[in-house]
Amino acid sequence: ETGVTQTPRHLVMGMTNKKSLKCEQHLGHNAMYWYKQSAKKPLELMFVYNFKEQTENNSVPSRFSPECPNSSHLFLHLHTLQPEDSALYLCASSPSGLAYEQYFGPGTRLTVT
Amino acid sequence: AQSVAQPEDQVNVAEGNPLTVKCTYSVSGNPYLFWYVQYPNRGLQFLLKYITGDNLVKGSYGFEAEFNKSQTCFHLKKPSALVCDSALYFCAVRAAYSGGYQKVTFGTGTKLQVIP
Repeated sequence: ETGVTQTPRHLVMGMTNKKSLKCEQHLGHNAMYWYKQSAKKPLELMFVYNFKEQTENNSVPSRFSPECPNSSHLFLHLHTLQPEDSALYLCASSPSGLAYEQYFGPGTRLTVT
Repeated sequence: AQSVAQPEDQVNVAEGNPLTVKCTYSVSGNPYLFWYVQYPNRGLQFLLKYITGDNLVKGSYGFEAEFNKSQTCFHLKKPSALVCDSALYFCAVRAAYSGGYQKVTFGTGTKLQVIP
């Protein structure tokens, strides 16, 4: 266990549905991240929060909406997704600072039908 | 723009033999370099990092990596491979700027298969 949990682990949703992914870290970190992992592609950074403030939005479509109510929780709200959004969504956390490694959750496997 | 290249999609090695997983990077200024491993149905797990100092870095599970600035590479190595080392390995780079947030860039990953 890395101290980062994600729920649900698997999600199947239609293109018109609205769902949310949840991430929680128990490590006392101040930075949290959302990544998208697709087969044969580099890990794609989506959003970064530092001390609850969004510091990076990597040109992510508006159908993905992040929320960080506190330093321990991170949400990714999903609506009107496309089939190409099917992927493994990984949450990570780290101490603030460039030299620190990230701690990843197990991911949510999302399938859009 | 910074980038990471992992030139091999897959590396096969016999159990007990030494293994190398290659990584080259491009970044402005000095780099922070990381290796992560991903087992099936799991998130990425940190193995080791180079920040500064000794070019040879030792990490978890007997892995090590050597920072080579002139060749801009950071290859992952292990003297004797185990079957349980079979997994997906990711190299990552971050610019070591002193001010402001700097994003981490990951490679595409290399699948390591250790053959019994």
